[in-house]
Amino acid sequence: QQQVKQSPQSLIVQKGGISIINCAYENTAFDYFPWYQQFPGKGPALLIAIRPDVSEKKEGRFTISFNKSAKQFSLHIMDSQPGDSATYFCAASWGQGAQKLVFGQGTRLTINP
Amino acid sequence: KAGVTQTPRYLIKTRGQQVTLSCSPISGHRSVSWYQQTPGQGLQFLFEYFSETQRNKGNFPGRFSGRQFSNSRSEMNVSTLELGDSALYLCASSRGQGGSPLHFGNGTRLTVT
Repeated sequence: QQQVKQSPQSLIVQKGGISIINCAYENTAFDYFPWYQQFPGKGPALLIAIRPDVSEKKEGRFTISFNKSAKQFSLHIMDSQPGDSATYFCAASWGQGAQKLVFGQGTRLTINP
Repeated sequence: KAGVTQTPRYLIKTRGQQVTLSCSPISGHRSVSWYQQTPGQGLQFLFEYFSETQRNKGNFPGRFSGRQFSNSRSEMNVSTLELGDSALYLCASSRGQGGSPLHFGNGTRLTVT
């Protein structure tokens, strides 16, 4: 019940295309859903986060879509660029345990020029 | 503003030894969390310290311990090292309130031989 399942494991997208990564969770107590981006040799960096009271949040080319009834959320990267090539992690946490993130397994995204 | 600093970056130890990793959080951040990252298990939460007190704990054996000092700096200790402890250990800091974003360091790569 503590798991967050992420798919796909790897993704190849052409430059300018839309990259879509999906996550699903079981624990309905989760109330904070961030996405992290990690480059080789670096720690994860927060991209964007959402709470379940909204269905969508957009920041620049990055959008989170959230479906509370389906217990799913996804990251959309519009106009994908080679510099977006990285590993992306979805995560979830709840309440005072917001620092205790449960991470998905990660998606290795490659943007072909 | 300086980011989260972890030392050392790389460490090689032998089975049975113990190791101490260090983390300096972003100035003003009172919460420090530790995560283990491996190819097989992904990112897993170890523990979180807030104002020198352990506030959350993951599902790791007692060989993994930590502490936080009055200046918010944190150390993590692993005793009686096992081969399976080889991993990237990530420290993250935040203000500590619910939903405060985690800022990760670049990690300490521990190799146990």
